[in-house]
Amino acid sequence: NAGVTQTPKFRVLKTGQSMTLLCAQDMNHEYMYWYRQDPGMGLRLIHYSVGEGTTAKGEVPDGYNVSRLKKQNFLLGLESAAPSQTSVYFCASSSHTGGGNQPQHFGDGTRLSIL
Amino acid sequence: DAKTTQPPSMDCAEGRAANLPCNHSTISGNEYVYWYRQIHSQGPQYIIHGLKNNETNEMASLIITEDRKSSTLILPHATLRDTAVYYCIVRVAMNNNDMRFGAGTRLTVKP
Repeated sequence: NAGVTQTPKFRVLKTGQSMTLLCAQDMNHEYMYWYRQDPGMGLRLIHYSVGEGTTAKGEVPDGYNVSRLKKQNFLLGLESAAPSQTSVYFCASSSHTGGGNQPQHFGDGTRLSIL
Repeated sequence: DAKTTQPPSMDCAEGRAANLPCNHSTISGNEYVYWYRQIHSQGPQYIIHGLKNNETNEMASLIITEDRKSSTLILPHATLRDTAVYYCIVRVAMNNNDMRFGAGTRLTVKP
């Protein structure tokens, strides 16, 4: 029972490079989310998706793009990485059943450093 | 705007109950109370949630005051593995994009 799997777990980039973080869930959840967590702080929502083919902006979307081409996958892209994007990135998913009050299930994170 | 207020840190003796408070005085009638925890640098782990009734599961109990302005998460027999940051979050059920993680409470369970 894998749950939410994030790839890669660690990555070091140079300023200006691009990369894509992959999130995969095997729980058939409709909703998926990308968060970032900076040292000593809580998580902040970057983008989210309520279904295949749909995405929306969260609290801190600038500098990121996302895609949800398949229900089980949610991709987070950095087109031109900046040192301010050094952070730990968490993906989560949740079901839309029960009136939307279902909890989110999180992956173990991707630690990204940008030099 | 912070929807919840939690103490920054708490200690608890191993084997004793850990009672973590959360103040949410501006909670609306359709907002649920959720509790998550984050152990070291792992992804947040869901613990429990409720609307107005007290809830219990295999991990913890959630006590919500009658006026819903505060709640308490109870870990009945804390172990060293319960050392973590605990987050109290309130949100409307359908607003899945409104999970606001504050700074949480850092619980340290001591032997």
